[in-house]
Amino acid sequence: AAGVIQSPRHLIKEKRETATLKCYPIPRHDTVYWYQQGPGQDPQFLISFYEKMQSDKGSIPDRFSAQQFSDYHSELNMSSLELGDSALYFCASSATGVPSSYNEQFFGPGTRLTVL
Amino acid sequence: QKEVEQNSGPLSVPEGAIASLNCTYSDRGSQSFFWYRQYSGKSPELIMFIYSNGDKEDGRFTAQLNKASQYVSLLIRDSQPSDSATYLCAVKGETGFQKLVFGTGTRLLVSP
Repeated sequence: AAGVIQSPRHLIKEKRETATLKCYPIPRHDTVYWYQQGPGQDPQFLISFYEKMQSDKGSIPDRFSAQQFSDYHSELNMSSLELGDSALYFCASSATGVPSSYNEQFFGPGTRLTVL
Repeated sequence: QKEVEQNSGPLSVPEGAIASLNCTYSDRGSQSFFWYRQYSGKSPELIMFIYSNGDKEDGRFTAQLNKASQYVSLLIRDSQPSDSATYLCAVKGETGFQKLVFGTGTRLLVSP
């Protein structure tokens, strides 16, 4: 079965540079979520989109922005990168056409961002 | 206090034993509860979800939910060394778009 696709898988950037992470949800999934996981920490919710509209916002820094496109893929744009942004960034997707509270989120393989 | 609490472990069990992983949550409005398995450096993998009080079984895994006590657990029967991983408890609210709130995870070690 098709899974969530994320690219790139690894990214190395210098401080103050910008980065763009991409996420392609499971086919027919209409909701995308972004999570950040630092070393030894649990995933922290950043932002989500449903039908190209922002649906929820978590602890996403103002330096970050995201959007969902007409083909449902999403991009997370990160500017003025800081050392503390080094983390695993996961995208997850779900289908909201089924009874709403039980939509399982399936995670992509993640992008490992290293800021030097 | 964290919204979702788990014992960080490690929880060590011998191969073939039952591993019991526990999780408590603070938001009484929480509706759906998920267990994810995460190997080091990999993405969380959904094992089970539960939304009604009681037990839900899937193969070697049983999820248990007690909303009155705000408690959810995962039992792994016949534990295998390949089950060694971090198990994340995640909680979601009422609407379909709600984020997942994760616990810090319990590290499980299954010894041969």
